Amino acid sequence: KAGVTQTPRYLIKTRGQQVTLSCSPISGHRSVSWYQQTPGQGLQFLFEYFSETQRNKGNFPGRFSGRQFSNSRSEMNVSTLELGDSALYLCASSLTGGGPNTEAFFGQGTRLTVV
Amino acid sequence: SQKIEQNSEALNIQEGKTATLTCNYTNYSPAYLQWYRQDPGRGPVFLLLIRENEKEKRKERLKVTFDTTLKQSLFHITASQPADSATYLCALDSISGGYNKLIFGAGTRLAVHP
Repeated sequence: KAGVTQTPRYLIKTRGQQVTLSCSPISGHRSVSWYQQTPGQGLQFLFEYFSETQRNKGNFPGRFSGRQFSNSRSEMNVSTLELGDSALYLCASSLTGGGPNTEAFFGQGTRLTVV
Repeated sequence: SQKIEQNSEALNIQEGKTATLTCNYTNYSPAYLQWYRQDPGRGPVFLLLIRENEKEKRKERLKVTFDTTLKQSLFHITASQPADSATYLCALDSISGGYNKLIFGAGTRLAVHP
């Protein structure tokens, strides 16, 4: 079956702009989580959506937001971009998002560069 | 505060030897712990999951141990090969608002030399 698809793979944006990233999970998976990965901080949890509801949120400012659609596809949005937002943004899908059978399947990520 | 610690320095070993990676955590009580492999420019790939009531789990050349008293997991790759060179991440579940989320360590880079 098809894996997790993230688009676009690469983005270059200017400070102050906003950006929307997309994630299509594995068919049948209802949980989608987003992570930010930087060399200094590792994988930082942004938020998790399950059946169109945000169930968990990490410690990121309100400029970071997301949503999930009825087909489980998810988008995340970053407004008023800052240089420090440059990172690899990873989306992970899992069946339920919790419990012992919760291995996460990651997409290839979107490399965002803010200039 | 809650922390997940993995060796930040790269681990260099000779082909054929056993690689052992460490994951320590504080102020978590995970019901299970997972290990992932990540290659440069790619998303992490799930390897193994071990539950809190399991001491050890094996999959082919991989072995994971989980000691909830020491708050530590060890990840072993036996008969290592250059193709095993990658960054290895441990992740554990953290319950927030009644729901689990996966929290990752920063990872340890493994380099296996021929």
